[in-house]
Amino acid sequence: NAGVTQTPKFQVLKTGQSMTLQCAQDMNHEYMSWYRQDPGMGLRLIHYSVGAGITDQGEVPNGYNVSRSTTEDFPLRLLSAAPSQTSVYFCASRWDRRSTDTQYFGPGTRLTVL
Amino acid sequence: QQQVKQSPQSLIVQKGGISIINCAYENTAFDYFPWYQQFPGKGPALLIAIRPDVSEKKEGRFTISFNKSAKQFSLHIMDSQPGDSATYFCAAALIGYNKLIFGAGTRLAVHP
Repeated sequence: NAGVTQTPKFQVLKTGQSMTLQCAQDMNHEYMSWYRQDPGMGLRLIHYSVGAGITDQGEVPNGYNVSRSTTEDFPLRLLSAAPSQTSVYFCASRWDRRSTDTQYFGPGTRLTVL
Repeated sequence: QQQVKQSPQSLIVQKGGISIINCAYENTAFDYFPWYQQFPGKGPALLIAIRPDVSEKKEGRFTISFNKSAKQFSLHIMDSQPGDSATYFCAAALIGYNKLIFGAGTRLAVHP
């Protein structure tokens, strides 16, 4: 199994540009989520999904959209990038929605917005 | 509002020493407390977790101590090794609920 994969690894955007961060998992996990990691802030939940067709907001959803059309994929869309969205983004998945289930993280995407 | 407060922000320990990282939480309903380990350039990985029905859980050199009345829990790394150098995150959650709430992280450096 490849686990949780993310593309791209690095990205530089200009303010106002849009882009999609890709996330895929091959473990047939029901639950997937997106976090951003900023110095001194830990990991903050952006959006999550408990199954195909079902998504919900996390702690910091503004400026981001998600969709879940398949079990495997959970892309994160930045509609109009802002410098405040400069961060490292992690996708994660786990077997089901229970928080006690082991959560697997992808390797991250480092995004810089100029 | 930071629901899980983690300290210290950074920690330097000599090889063979004990590393101690502390976390405090506010929501008394939290009932699951995992620790994640993150190496540079990698995603976090689950290290060890505890439920509040026990006061301590040990896995190898890693121990979680839990104090329910004080709403605090800590990670102890015994015989710390340079390979333990990483960022450690505590987290808290409600079992049966979707979200993990993470602390700000502690960057540990173990010097040889």
